[in-house]
Amino acid sequence: AQSVAQPEDQVNVAEGNPLTVKCTYSVSGNPYLFWYVQYPNRGLQFLLKYITGDNLVKGSYGFEAEFNKSQTSFHLKKPSALVSDSALYFCAVFSGGYQKVTFGIGTKLQVIP
Amino acid sequence: DAGITQSPRHKVTETGTPVTLRCHQTENHRYMYWYRQDPGHGLRLIHYSYGVKDTDKGEVSDGYSVSRSKTEDFLLTLESATSSQTSVYFCAIRGDRSSYNSPLHFGNGTRLTVT
Repeated sequence: AQSVAQPEDQVNVAEGNPLTVKCTYSVSGNPYLFWYVQYPNRGLQFLLKYITGDNLVKGSYGFEAEFNKSQTSFHLKKPSALVSDSALYFCAVFSGGYQKVTFGIGTKLQVIP
Repeated sequence: DAGITQSPRHKVTETGTPVTLRCHQTENHRYMYWYRQDPGHGLRLIHYSYGVKDTDKGEVSDGYSVSRSKTEDFLLTLESATSSQTSVYFCAIRGDRSSYNSPLHFGNGTRLTVT
C-alpha cells in the first residue's frame, strides 16, 4: 500500500519569506510524486511533479520541490512567499503499475502581509 | 479547467434518497476518478475507471456505485444517501499518452449535503 503524510495542518509565513510545506511518502516501487494547490471553492490544480532525474523540480508560480529518496520526502518550497500563495496544498503519490493516486490530508498555507 | 464539468455543483438531499453525480469530460481521456474531500481526511478515492465499462473500487467505495457507458461520462451514484456522505465530491481525469507521468486534472467539485 502507498501512503502520503503531510505533518503540518497549517503553515504560517510572512510575505517575502521563504516557505516550505512538508511531505513524506511510502511506496513499494519507484514513486511518482505530485503537488497540487486548491483555492476556495475550486478543484485541485497541478503545480509540479517528480518522475525521475534531477531531485530539484521546478513548477508553476515559482514553486519548486526537492525529492529526497533516503528520507522519502518531497517538500514544496518557494524562495519568497506571496499573499496570493495562501491556499490548501496537497502532496500525492502514484506508484507505477497501480492506477490509484493517493493524496495527503493537505496543508493550509497562510501568507501574512 | 481541462474540459471537465461536474453537475450539479450543489445538491441538498434527504437521507435514504438516491443521488447521481455526473462528470463530463471533453478531453477523451481514458482514466477518470471520483474522490471525496473531507476535513482531516484530504482526498479519498471512491472509484475509478480505466475505460468504458471498466471500473474499480477505491478506498471508500462502500455505499457508492459508478458507471461509465461512454468515454466522456462517469457517473457516481449514492443508492441511499446517508449523512456520512455529506462531502465535496471531485471528479478527475488523466490522459493516455504517458499515464505514469501525467497529472490528474480536476473538476470544480459538487457539494453534497445529506439532511
